[in-house]
Amino acid sequence: EDKVVQSPLSLVVHEGDTVTLNCSYEVTNFRSLLWYKQEKKAPTFLFMLTSSGIEKKSGRLSSILDKKELFSILNITATQTGDSAIYLCAVEVENFGNEKLTFGTGTRLTIIP
Amino acid sequence: DAGVIQSPRHEVTEMGQEVTLRCKPISGHDYLFWYRQTMMRGLELLIYFNNNVPIDDSGMPEDRFSAKMPNASFSTLKIQPSEPRDSAVYFCASSKRPLVPNTEAFFGQGTRLTVV
Repeated sequence: EDKVVQSPLSLVVHEGDTVTLNCSYEVTNFRSLLWYKQEKKAPTFLFMLTSSGIEKKSGRLSSILDKKELFSILNITATQTGDSAIYLCAVEVENFGNEKLTFGTGTRLTIIP
Repeated sequence: DAGVIQSPRHEVTEMGQEVTLRCKPISGHDYLFWYRQTMMRGLELLIYFNNNVPIDDSGMPEDRFSAKMPNASFSTLKIQPSEPRDSAVYFCASSKRPLVPNTEAFFGQGTRLTVV
């Protein structure tokens, strides 16, 4: 059974701190790993990672994948209150010629002003 | 395109009643996913379709749950009879096949279901 595990489950930090969110996975037929941010409603896409060691960056957010050790991290520097959200990691796997996304339970990040 | 459209946005129903959730995927997307999100279990994949055909329904909790996709622009998730433990937010998502770099599965706004 495909498994995606995120840690920590919950994180509370002060504005300006840097945070690192973790995602490890055990799947067959890995294709890609995706990070989503979920505030009040639907998850919104952040990054897709397919290759090890290549950092994806968008403003204060960055992410990297290690396909040998089967994990990814999402870094947020100089956090702001608007970063408060649930961060979801999902792994795309190939399933008999089809692809599906399996999600972790998410990390709930709270930024205190 | 208006994105993935789900209806209703909220539903409160009594235990034992039938519940039908609806989803209109983004035009041109071959894949449609139904997810359920709870605090305890996070986002769980229930079932997904490729070109209107159910591919993997191993995440459907039990026989009370069923999903259909009669055409490329419409899908339903039905719970009959509903139980309080079905209370959750149900998301529909659609994507192209395969997920090309820097694209993603697009999510609807979700249906918040409360069974009392």
